[in-house]
Amino acid sequence: EPEVTQTPSHQVTQMGQEVILRCVPISNHLYFYWYRQILGQKVEFLVSFYNNEISEKSEIFDDQFSVERPDGSNFTLKIRSTKLEDSAMYFCASSEGTGGQHFGDGTRLSIL
Amino acid sequence: LAKTTQPISMDSYEGQEVNITCSHNNIATNDYITWYQQFPSQGPRFIIQGYKTKVTNEVASLFIPADRKSSTLSLPRVSLSDTAVYYCLVGDQAGTALIFGKGTTLSVSS
Repeated sequence: EPEVTQTPSHQVTQMGQEVILRCVPISNHLYFYWYRQILGQKVEFLVSFYNNEISEKSEIFDDQFSVERPDGSNFTLKIRSTKLEDSAMYFCASSEGTGGQHFGDGTRLSIL
Repeated sequence: LAKTTQPISMDSYEGQEVNITCSHNNIATNDYITWYQQFPSQGPRFIIQGYKTKVTNEVASLFIPADRKSSTLSLPRVSLSDTAVYYCLVGDQAGTALIFGKGTTLSVSS
C-alpha cells in the first residue's frame, strides 16, 4: 500500500537555526498538508497546499514557516529561526481530495 | 467545521466489540464523517469514512443515523494492538484541514 514518507525521523537543532523537514506524499495525491503535535497535546493543523500554492493556513503558520514543493515528489516545511516551543512531532499528510488524508509517521523536532 | 464530542476514554477486553460514539450536532450537508487511529509516536491513520447509513471495511464499521447528528465506530473483536487514540472528525472532503480534538483513548486488556 502506498504511504507518505518523512525524513528525518528525528531532528535535533539549536535554537535560532533553520530546519527543513521533508516529505514524499503518495504519488497520485493532489492535496498536501503539515500538522504538528506537541508532546501530550492535540494534533494541530499548520497548512494545506494545492496546485502549487497554499490553500489554507492556521494562526500557527506565521512568517517563520514556509512550504515548498520543489519537484514532482517532495513537499517540504521550512522553519526559520527555530524556538524552543517549536519542539514537536511534525506530520505530513496527503490526499486525493476524497477518502481521507494519509499521514506519515512524522519527524520529531527537538530544539535545544 | 462542525464540532465533535466523544468520550475521553474507554476500556475493553480482548475479543470484545467496542463501539465509540461521536456527537456532531452541527454537521453540514456537505460534511463527511471520518475516523482516525493514532498510536504513540506515529501519525494518525485513516480508519473509515462515511456520509450516511452504514459503511464497513476490513477493520471497522461506521454507523450513521438518518439525522447524521452522531456516528458510531464499531471495532469487532478488539485485540491488545487496538489500544490507541481514536478521533472522530467532520468536514467536507475537498482538501479541508482536519481539526483534531482530544479523541477517545481506548485501552484493551487481556
